[in-house]
Amino acid sequence: GESVGLHLPTLSVQEGDNSIINCAYSNSASDYFIWYKQESGKGPQFIIDIRSNMDKRQGQRVTVLLNKTVKHLSLQIAATQPGDSAVYFCAENMRGANSKLTFGKGITLSVRP
Amino acid sequence: NAGVTQTPKFRVLKTGQSMTLLCAQDMNHEYMYWYRQDPGMGLRLIHYSVGEGTTAKGEVPDGYNVSRLKKQNFLLGLESAAPSQTSVYFCASRPGAPRQFFGPGTRLTVL
Repeated sequence: GESVGLHLPTLSVQEGDNSIINCAYSNSASDYFIWYKQESGKGPQFIIDIRSNMDKRQGQRVTVLLNKTVKHLSLQIAATQPGDSAVYFCAENMRGANSKLTFGKGITLSVRP
Repeated sequence: NAGVTQTPKFRVLKTGQSMTLLCAQDMNHEYMYWYRQDPGMGLRLIHYSVGEGTTAKGEVPDGYNVSRLKKQNFLLGLESAAPSQTSVYFCASRPGAPRQFFGPGTRLTVL
């Protein structure tokens, strides 16, 4: 989900469990979506992307699901590890948006040992 | 390849001072972007460039200027720094596809 305050929402999971991070995007004309991971003090890193003509895409330990009917994107992380602790945010590319991405505010994933 | 690099990594300015942040990429990307990131606000686009010699305003351009004289470099300037410009600044670049590659960031504090 999105945050409207100063503090990002936090998802706390047990090490080894699966994590699901959700994102609601804003524009039905968006044709491309990306998930980024940002560790403390670092720049955002690409995790996985998906085009609007797909519903699901899998990577190594990660899966992105796209539900265009309700404008919802989710990131699933299998067997969550301590190194997965970070802020995750989604981004959408709106068709005709002149080369720009629109970013969500992010969710903090905290992995309990 | 070094990817996207940013100079400096940290900087402290006094109100009214000026400075330039440098972004360099060695991936021959056409598009380059400057963002600022504040707590709870996510990434907000300041300015961007769709090619050498071009620049355009983003979501929060006031108080900033940019230049793209060379394809590999994108400079962000603050002419008269204000405390409201205290933030972490990220540069990004991309080829034709929408995926953006980010630099490590510059942490700027304006006193």
